[in-house]
Amino acid sequence: DQQVKQNSPSLSVQEGRISILNCDYTNSMFDYFLWYKKYPAEGPTFLISISSIKDKNEDGRFTVFLNKSAKHLSLHIVPSQPGDSAVYFCAASTSGTYKYIFGTGTRLKVLA
Amino acid sequence: DSGVTQTPKHLITATGQRVTLRCSPRSGDLSVYWYQQSLDQGLQFLIQYYNGEERAKGNILERFSAQQFPDLHSELNLSSLELGDSALYFCASSGRGGEADTQYFGPGTRLTVL
Repeated sequence: DQQVKQNSPSLSVQEGRISILNCDYTNSMFDYFLWYKKYPAEGPTFLISISSIKDKNEDGRFTVFLNKSAKHLSLHIVPSQPGDSAVYFCAASTSGTYKYIFGTGTRLKVLA
Repeated sequence: DSGVTQTPKHLITATGQRVTLRCSPRSGDLSVYWYQQSLDQGLQFLIQYYNGEERAKGNILERFSAQQFPDLHSELNLSSLELGDSALYFCASSGRGGEADTQYFGPGTRLTVL
């Protein structure tokens, strides 16, 4: 049972345009969400997070939106840069469980 | 460089064997997590330790076990290995191990079971 789903395995975007990566979840108990970025041959690195009490969190070029009613979150990267080309994982957690459930990732390619 | 080190980088072994993966957390971090990433799969949470004690368990097989030592490094032991255990194994660490803590990941150990 995949509680966190990233239905787009890959995405290509032109440099300078917006990249939108999507993530859906099924467990309504999740109350903390994160995005990680992963380059080949490296471990994932934390990008941005959002608590369920918010619907938006912004950090520079990265913004995460949370729609609790739709159980959907998205990561917007504006403007996209070639260095953003990586695999992006969303993850979700429930307070007190100390566990993160990760999606299967979306490979973003930013074309120069 | 996340500050988390994992050894070895690569490991090739045969079915039925036993291996140990090692992780050293970032200086000052008390919590260690283990994850498995199989081909085309997301990161599967295996287990978390906080200051030497097991705190949370995920989809960890009974053939797998882990521990965190007094110096806070951690080992993941995989026994009776099967072909399906071939994967990337990541260790991560965080300060206190809470959900809002950022987890810092090591570069991973690639295990190949032949």
